[in-house]
Amino acid sequence: AQRVTQPEKLLSVFKGAPVELKCNYSYSGSPELFWYVQYSRQRLQLLLRHISRESIKGFTADLNKGETSFHLKKPFAQEEDSAMYYCALSYGGATNKLIFGTGTLLAVQP
Amino acid sequence: NAGVMQNPRHLVRRRGQEARLRCSPMKGHSHVYWYRQLPEEGLKFMVYLQKENIIDESGMPKERFSAEFPKEGPSILRIQQVVRGDSAAYFCASSPGGGSADTQYFGPGTRLTVL
Repeated sequence: AQRVTQPEKLLSVFKGAPVELKCNYSYSGSPELFWYVQYSRQRLQLLLRHISRESIKGFTADLNKGETSFHLKKPFAQEEDSAMYYCALSYGGATNKLIFGTGTLLAVQP
Repeated sequence: NAGVMQNPRHLVRRRGQEARLRCSPMKGHSHVYWYRQLPEEGLKFMVYLQKENIIDESGMPKERFSAEFPKEGPSILRIQQVVRGDSAAYFCASSPGGGSADTQYFGPGTRLTVL
């Protein structure tokens, strides 16, 4: 069955420290993977998608098909990065429904 | 563009009542998705609609839940005879198309509490 796993509920780091939010998936086809972010009191919004291979707000994520992972990384965390991060997988095809992980709360301490 | 609008933001119902959740997609978007988030869980897909059509309802509970997206007006998620287990946050997302290249834009959600 298709599944997205985010093993950490909470990740606490100090400002300036590197960040890695883990995401593993199981999917039989060719996955399309996304990271969504929800800042305090704001709605869920797309941070980045693997197909774009871009860096947004200093975050990058590389799809590793061998390890079925799509970890989100940033070399130097900022306080404004504190938010809830969700990894998601798209079925694609006739329906673009998303399968979400349970989310990781990133807390960046000053 | 005001973004995806959902109302009400908070809804309280007693067991057995009906709940109606509304979603107005972004201007120019004709594709709507509904997701449900139970406490301590991620968002789970419920249904995908285009104007006047249900495309995929594989995530909808078989009973008491229905959804529509009429030609005019918002998309409606309707829950009949609510039970305590229906208490959750319900999110709507819209996109301009239905392909994986089309970003889904999320609304603020409706928090349903069943007493």
